Amino acid sequence: QKEVEQDPGPLSVPEGAIVSLNCTYSNSAFQYFMWYRQYSRKGPELLMYTYSSGNKEDGRFTAQVDKSSKYISLFIRDSQPSDSATYLCAMRRTNTGNQFYFGTGTSLTVIP
Amino acid sequence: EADIYQTPRYLVIGTGKKITLECSQTMGHDKMYWYQQDPGMELHLIHYSYGVNSTEKGDLSSESTVSRIRTEHFPLTLESARPSHTSQYLCASRSEQGFIPIYFGEGSWLTVV
Repeated sequence: QKEVEQDPGPLSVPEGAIVSLNCTYSNSAFQYFMWYRQYSRKGPELLMYTYSSGNKEDGRFTAQVDKSSKYISLFIRDSQPSDSATYLCAMRRTNTGNQFYFGTGTSLTVIP
Repeated sequence: EADIYQTPRYLVIGTGKKITLECSQTMGHDKMYWYQQDPGMELHLIHYSYGVNSTEKGDLSSESTVSRIRTEHFPLTLESARPSHTSQYLCASRSEQGFIPIYFGEGSWLTVV
């Protein structure tokens, strides 16, 4: 079983919709959580990062962590065609100096 | 915004050739990484470095080698390229201090024919 599971999609939504992207994980030791956006043939671009549980908001993006359910989400409000990309979640344990665990990514298309 | 640069971005090369993928960062980060990513697949760590003259192999077995002679520079070398090396290679770095997420370069797309 993978440490991080992410539905690959593809997910297709109309412009202006609210998008919910999710990852689940198996290891309760994960404390740090990140979301990246990756356009085709580009490197992953950091969108948001959070520590432990709770919500964090940045513009149209909200990252949510539910440690009791081992579940993290990224919400995109008022989605735009420019949001069309693959979204990767990543996480890290507190006592591991070097290891980041990545999901396989969810492909999102926002239709004008 | 991260300042991490990879060259070449795209490379098509014949089997048996030696190649070096360059990676440089201007943020003074101690920790640097090389990941391999195939389309639709997860990232796999192939090499990392804690600092100058410190390199380690990652989880994914790789025939590549790396060096870290300067803080800002972390090149990856394949002595004899094979078609199985065709992939995207991502360089990344992060600061040593506290919880700082990992920042990626634009990637190098390698095709071995």
